[in-house]
Amino acid sequence: SQQGEEDPQALSIQEGENATMNCSYKTSINNLQWYRQNSGRGLVHLILIRSNEREKHSGRLRVTLDTSKKSSSLLITASRAADTASYFCATDARDGNKLVFGAGTILRVKS
Amino acid sequence: GAVVSQHPSRVICKSGTSVKIECRSLDFQATTMFWYRQFPKQSLMLMATSNEGSKATYEQGVEKDKFLINHASLTLSTLTVTSAHPEDSSFYICSASWTGKKTQYFGPGTRLLVL
Repeated sequence: SQQGEEDPQALSIQEGENATMNCSYKTSINNLQWYRQNSGRGLVHLILIRSNEREKHSGRLRVTLDTSKKSSSLLITASRAADTASYFCATDARDGNKLVFGAGTILRVKS
Repeated sequence: GAVVSQHPSRVICKSGTSVKIECRSLDFQATTMFWYRQFPKQSLMLMATSNEGSKATYEQGVEKDKFLINHASLTLSTLTVTSAHPEDSSFYICSASWTGKKTQYFGPGTRLLVL
């Protein structure tokens, strides 16, 4: 079942602007991951943040995790047209390796 | 590294026929493979988890007799959609991982259209 809710559902920004996407979940987790999906393609892993971490950076990506609020955010700085894609958060249950994906945010970066 | 392929990328079939989709890990041994279904503009829904050499574990609501999964080797899993119907038309994505790894590596997906 879906446990992740993401907002916004869709985001349209100009190239160079920052894009922030949020994800909320319901159960306790070990890790939270963010994936990207280009239209009609498979998913690409972006970043993993552990439940005992609060913030993580990778290039132009910044992820935060607030376990007390059961929420995470993905910030893409200085966006490019090539960042246009759908972005999904995914959480894993404490007792397994299955991932539960959020509803996703469709990001469109206009050049 | 960690490349996963899927074949075919697109398939169109007539209602009532069966379709087999292959998922291969090209440069690693996948102890676990996952099969997802994604409808347009929706998220991924896990259908089943497949461990090499054992029976797949299906998610609630997924018919195991309709979606046959075989994970006979550490680099290959297959999903067979039996007696496909138009409502089975969807985007099917596999992913693969190995013991202890939390990240999943995804194939490019297979778009199935049942006429």
